[in-house]
Amino acid sequence: NAGVTQTPKFQVLKTGQSMTLQCAQDMNHNSMYWYRQDPGMGLRLIYYSASEGTTDKGEVPNGYNVSRLNKREFSLRLESAAPSQTSVYFCASGGGNQPQHFGDGTRLSIL
Amino acid sequence: TQLLEQSPQFLSIQEGENLTVYCNSSSVFSSLQWYRQEPGEGPVLLVTVVTGGEVKKLKRLTFQFGDARKDSSLHITAAQPGDTGLYLCAGGPTYKYIFGTGTRLKVLA
Repeated sequence: NAGVTQTPKFQVLKTGQSMTLQCAQDMNHNSMYWYRQDPGMGLRLIYYSASEGTTDKGEVPNGYNVSRLNKREFSLRLESAAPSQTSVYFCASGGGNQPQHFGDGTRLSIL
Repeated sequence: TQLLEQSPQFLSIQEGENLTVYCNSSSVFSSLQWYRQEPGEGPVLLVTVVTGGEVKKLKRLTFQFGDARKDSSLHITAAQPGDTGLYLCAGGPTYKYIFGTGTRLKVLA
């Protein structure tokens, strides 16, 4: 009964390093999302994938890339991390006419 | 740009008190969702409201969608410590969801 699984849970990077956040869902949802959550800002949509093979920009896509590897997996890549990207990142699946289900987040600090 | 503003930002109350949280926008939403988030976890959906004027109840929680579908409220009756958490509203066009800034509720025993 995993739902949405995110890895890693915590990560510390240096400015300029790259990394990929992984997300997998086992609910057979077509749509998947990446959000970031900052204090006082709520959740902001970075990218979403309405269905396998498609991706689209959300509200704050700059500095990020995504890959919808298959129906289950949706990854988020930071090519050159910046301190402004320090945040908690959430992956979600579902939406549309279905509720969104969220993972437990990845806490990312960039020094 | 669609925005969702929530009020109050913070609320600390005693067990047994009632409270109302508001979610307001200048834009019309086709549907609006309410989530609760606990520390270290992702948000969990509480309810989705779709029709203007709609009222939904979930035990001690009552959700209302404004007639014009621009605002919503969450009322908690006889709050309990287990209600403590961050309450988020969200709406928007399909897939491009907008989240409010949240109301952080603390219920003291």
